[in-house]
Amino acid sequence: SAVISQKPSRDICQRGTSLTIQCQVDSQVTMMFWYRQQPGQSLTLIATANQGSEATYESGFVIDKFPISRPNLTFSTLTVSNMSPEDSSIYLCSVDRQGAREAFFGQGTRLTVV
Amino acid sequence: KQEVTQIPAALSVPEGENLVLNCSFTDSAIYNLQWFRQDPGKGLTSLLLIQSSQREQTSGRLNASLDKSSGRSTLYIAASQPGDSATYLCAVRRENYGQNFVFGPGTRLSVLP
Repeated sequence: SAVISQKPSRDICQRGTSLTIQCQVDSQVTMMFWYRQQPGQSLTLIATANQGSEATYESGFVIDKFPISRPNLTFSTLTVSNMSPEDSSIYLCSVDRQGAREAFFGQGTRLTVV
Repeated sequence: KQEVTQIPAALSVPEGENLVLNCSFTDSAIYNLQWFRQDPGKGLTSLLLIQSSQREQTSGRLNASLDKSSGRSTLYIAASQPGDSATYLCAVRRENYGQNFVFGPGTRLSVLP
């Protein structure tokens, strides 16, 4: 299995500010994935982060709002910019275990925007 | 378009019962199917992964089956415990590239002591 450390685990932020979420994996992976889970909803993929290239964003998500960094094969950050109460969600990072393509997730970041 | 449903939406059982959670999907062309557990406000914990060519997987008290032709998977939990209380999600992976999951809405399980 893959061990994923995600920080912070939760935060309460003022509207208009930004929050950067960190995701550290215990092994090198090609792709890292960022998800949002709005209250009472299932997971929605935000973007796929590859090392050395720009992230690929899903429909409805843009780089200006959710900039992503991927400086090496074990680390990535997601920033939620210019936050509004609608951004209150759980944000999760995920990786695949090679071969079997089993997905592993971080512990999640529970964001509340007030 | 792949759609995933889970029945029941919520389930409350006394401790010690055996129970079955159901997952249905509309398109049988899947790469694999994964069952996850999610505690409130937390991330997802992988429980079982079933490849499209497999019929079932077992881990401890958990057994998951897959019938691709009928678009169904079940998660069987034996001798349930209060610590099993969580939301259980099934996710269908559509192809062998990226994470192109379709998640079910989840079954919220409460095991009463």
